[in-house]
Amino acid sequence: DTEVTQTPKHLVMGMTNKKSLKCEQHMGHRAMYWYKQKAKKPPELMFVYSYEKLSINESVPSRFSPECPNSSLLNLHLHALQPEDSALYLCASSPYWDRGFRAGELFFGEGSRLTVL
Amino acid sequence: QKEVEQNSGPLSVPEGAIASLNCTYSDRGSQSFFWYRQYSGKSPELIMFIYSNGDKEDGRFTAQLNKASQYVSLLIRDSQPSDSATYLCAVNYGGSQGNLIFGKGTKLSVKP
Repeated sequence: DTEVTQTPKHLVMGMTNKKSLKCEQHMGHRAMYWYKQKAKKPPELMFVYSYEKLSINESVPSRFSPECPNSSLLNLHLHALQPEDSALYLCASSPYWDRGFRAGELFFGEGSRLTVL
Repeated sequence: QKEVEQNSGPLSVPEGAIASLNCTYSDRGSQSFFWYRQYSGKSPELIMFIYSNGDKEDGRFTAQLNKASQYVSLLIRDSQPSDSATYLCAVNYGGSQGNLIFGKGTKLSVKP
């Protein structure tokens, strides 16, 4: 069982809605990630928080707004999304941030499958 | 542009055979490499990582790295039907920041 918990597992929203995805981990990992994965495509990095600060933003549109309230929790706020934003949103964490070669060892949650109508 | 290339497959092998999955990458400065397994409808899980030239073995899995050729591979010995999944090669371009670029994945099917 994954120790990275994502809610909700499924979300359907209209283009004018505001919703949020939530991710929690209690492993003491200091880096948390949001990835987007479309069907039959690889995961694409969106954001990275390290020590609760935004470290990487991969030029993601402003309709996606990340938030890291504390070291265990990561949110992704969604507003005015487009149908092409429909995808699996994966949260991951890592204890190896800033620790050399193992920095890419990520622990993924089960994902939140988003459908934008 | 940094790229990670994999043969998308599907790669079909009989049960008990060796499955060989290959990956090439574009940035010669990359230092660490990861293989993730992703079952259909599930999230990726780490199988192995490697950062030194040569082979690294873990149970039925062997990762191979050749930095001169910019080539990474994963061998699965005694393949089982439960190994049927998509295997994602990932390259860490972010140094200590864990900024992974994933390949498109190779779909492996192990036939009983």
